[in-house]
Amino acid sequence: NAGVTQTPKFQVLKTGQSMTLQCAQDMNHNSMYWYRQDPGMGLRLIYYSASEGTTDKGEVPNGYNVSRLNKREFSLRLESAAPSQTSVYFCASSPGGNTIYFGEGSWLTVV
Amino acid sequence: GENVEQHPSTLSVQEGDSAVIKCTYSDSASNYFPWYKQELGKRPQLIIDIRSNVGEKKDQRIAVTLNKTAKHFSLHITETQPEDSAVYFCAASKMNYGQNFVFGPGTRLSVLP
Repeated sequence: NAGVTQTPKFQVLKTGQSMTLQCAQDMNHNSMYWYRQDPGMGLRLIYYSASEGTTDKGEVPNGYNVSRLNKREFSLRLESAAPSQTSVYFCASSPGGNTIYFGEGSWLTVV
Repeated sequence: GENVEQHPSTLSVQEGDSAVIKCTYSDSASNYFPWYKQELGKRPQLIIDIRSNVGEKKDQRIAVTLNKTAKHFSLHITETQPEDSAVYFCAASKMNYGQNFVFGPGTRLSVLP
């Protein structure tokens, strides 16, 4: 039981490049989330998915797209990376009615 | 939408002393309040949580209190140890299908030996 697994762990992008952060959970959770964490800003929700086939915008969705591929997987795509998207990204999942469990994080630098 | 404030942003205590971190929330419909501990370079991990039908919950050296009327909740750590040094986040959520969690900005706790 690996919990929430996200890849890659580290990535450096040039401005304008695109990339996809992958996330998978093996806990049979319905809900999945993508957060970004910046110094002094806490964890801010980018997108979440209440169930397979549904996605909703969070607090900071601009510049990102998501896909809930199936119940296990929830990917985050940066279509045209900008330096302001330099951050640590956390995927998380929840069974609903309970707390959320985080992946190990992905450190993204856009130069 | 929900807004969560957290104070203080930094807190230094002597080993063995108590630490208290306070959070306020704005949405009276929020009914689930977890606390997370994040060590440097690691993921946030749940340390304790409380639901709105309970006023206080305790787990060994940590406790959480909730005041629904005032819309604030607090984390209490007693007999602090150096390994308690970390960033602590509070969050507020509505327990339902597809719930959204809103986090406070975090408190950096330093326990001095």
